[in-house]
Amino acid sequence: SQQGEEDPQALSIQEGENATMNCSYKTSINNLQWYRQNSGRGLVHLILIRSNEREKHSGRLRVTLDTSKKSSSLLITASRAADTASYFCATDGSGSGNTGKLIFGQGTTLQVKP
Amino acid sequence: EAQVTQNPRYLITVTGKKLTVTCSQNMNHEYMSWYRQDPGLGLRQIYYSMNVEVTDKGDVPEGYKVSRKEKRNFPLILESPSPNQTSLYFCASSFEGRQPQHFGDGTRLSIL
Repeated sequence: SQQGEEDPQALSIQEGENATMNCSYKTSINNLQWYRQNSGRGLVHLILIRSNEREKHSGRLRVTLDTSKKSSSLLITASRAADTASYFCATDGSGSGNTGKLIFGQGTTLQVKP
Repeated sequence: EAQVTQNPRYLITVTGKKLTVTCSQNMNHEYMSWYRQDPGLGLRQIYYSMNVEVTDKGDVPEGYKVSRKEKRNFPLILESPSPNQTSLYFCASSFEGRQPQHFGDGTRLSIL
């Protein structure tokens, strides 16, 4: 089963609004990463948050991590049409050594309407 | 420009005809990986390599082979493709496994 599961599966908002996506996972982790995928393209890394961090910012992105609830959220503030994409969380199991086995959720599809 | 390059980007072929999807990275990354992306199933890891001559199975390795003879290249080989291998394939690389991965633009394979 998937380690990371995103919620909602799809989200449609107006430009300028904030978008929040959630990710839940099952086992303990070393870090959690968020990626963006534009239609027909490869994934692009957005942000990495370590298990000992609670919040991280990068530009208009804010990521939180609650290891007690095994969940993370990605907030995109002041969204733009160019933010339209699918967003994935990816986790590594802390017991997996350094195999680099990232487990991806199924993603949240975000549509930002101009 | 730092990049992961996959070829071909699109391929339609027939069952049983051996094919190779190439992957090359110019970032001197040690770690490389192949994923397939299917609707409703997300991204699943096929094989990964932690360094030259070191490869290991991911979650869905059946029907695939890989090799890592040089640091920059990590080809994916389908010896006898079948229709259930129709998918979107991504190669990714990073300095080490847990670090952010750089993805190629994908290869869309259709096996008839």
